[in-house]
Amino acid sequence: EVQLLESGGGLVQPGGSLRLSCAASGFTFSSYGMGWVRQAPGKGLEWVSGLSDSGDNTYYADFVKGRFTISRDTSKNTVYLQMNSLRADDTAIYYCTRGDNLIDYWGQGTLVTVSS
Amino acid sequence: DIVMTQSPDSLGVSVGERATINCKASQSVLYRSNNKNYLAWYQQKPGQPPKLLISWASTRESGVPDRFSGSGSGTDFTLTISSLQAEDVAVYYCQQYDSSPYTFGQGTKLEIK
Repeated sequence: EVQLLESGGGLVQPGGSLRLSCAASGFTFSSYGMGWVRQAPGKGLEWVSGLSDSGDNTYYADFVKGRFTISRDTSKNTVYLQMNSLRADDTAIYYCTRGDNLIDYWGQGTLVTVSS
Repeated sequence: DIVMTQSPDSLGVSVGERATINCKASQSVLYRSNNKNYLAWYQQKPGQPPKLLISWASTRESGVPDRFSGSGSGTDFTLTISSLQAEDVAVYYCQQYDSSPYTFGQGTKLEIK
């Protein structure tokens, strides 16, 4: 059974940093691109970032480019999202996804709240 | 960036009736070398993460009821629920995965009338 378990969310002040983690299981991690999608409270889905199966290619939405970095550790079956210079409008549930473009599995999400 | 626009924003349909949701891309998501449309539909029920229903514009995922169908090509796509059931109440999103950033539509909220 495919499982994606996010962690690392929480309350952070504007300008601060957080690192989200996503522990994957139930599939061959190195064979899949991975990604992150977010959803602000009561709003729609926003694709944030993706990473190819090899880790060689990364992709970002314009609104996070230069602030967020996606990476993966194949030895730990984990994908990360390093988030810097956080702003109030980054407040959202962040979902880990299997698939950097077409998404076939989603985690339950971790809430990031940016507020002073 | 490719902008995905769904219509309507919300929709009320009676149980047993047909529901139709439209999705328009600002540029074609048809990749001519393989004749595939890079368009997916997702269903999100309250308090849950989204679920993939349809990929490649018309390929239903395993376990998805056959009352769900996808159609369209190029820039114009449709998700149809042939006979609405109570459990289909959800928000539905289209997404293009042709080119990064892989953008979503704004969502269509489907309710029972």
